[in-house]
Amino acid sequence: AQSVTQPDIHITVSEGASLELRCNYSYGATPYLFWYVQSPGQGLQLLLKYFSGDTLVQGIKGFEAEFKRSQSSFNLRKPSVHWSDAAEYFCAVLPAGGTSYGKLTFGQGTILTVHP
Amino acid sequence: EPEVTQTPSHQVTQMGQEVILRCVPISNHLYFYWYRQILGQKVEFLVSFYNNEISEKSEIFDDQFSVERPDGSNFTLKIRSTKLEDSAMYFCASSVSGAQETQYFGPGTRLLVL
Repeated sequence: AQSVTQPDIHITVSEGASLELRCNYSYGATPYLFWYVQSPGQGLQLLLKYFSGDTLVQGIKGFEAEFKRSQSSFNLRKPSVHWSDAAEYFCAVLPAGGTSYGKLTFGQGTILTVHP
Repeated sequence: EPEVTQTPSHQVTQMGQEVILRCVPISNHLYFYWYRQILGQKVEFLVSFYNNEISEKSEIFDDQFSVERPDGSNFTLKIRSTKLEDSAMYFCASSVSGAQETQYFGPGTRLLVL
């Protein structure tokens, strides 16, 4: 079955430290890949996406993600975390090929806490 | 920057009552979606909508649910007879064209069924 896994439910880092949030997917073919962020009381904001091409994608707020086909992973990274990055982060996938009518499948989310 | 809006932000209802959740997608978008997130669980796809008809729906989207685009701007989700397990955050999303485009999400409606 198709699935998205975010192994870490909760991550705590110190402000200024580097961050990596993990995402693994299980699909028959390489899907389109997304990272969204949800701050308390807010909707889901798109951080970045991967459709094809360069496997290292840059997003907003200084985030980047790397697609690794061999590992079926799309991990999110940031070199230096700011207190305002505290939020919940969701990895999501969309089957490529135009047959899914936009059915995004989400991981269970990773809550990021940032200590001063 | 254009954004998806949703009303109300919070709704409390009694079990068995009908609720309508409203969304205004981004104006030039053609594909519309509803997702829900039960507290502590994943965000789940409910339905996609294009050209005034449902394109795809999940197994969650049973006969108690319906969607409608009543005019040129609104996109609604109706739950005919709410159950306790319908309590969740409901997100509307829209995309420009084609199901493979980036989806932009609204802030959500928190529905509580008592």
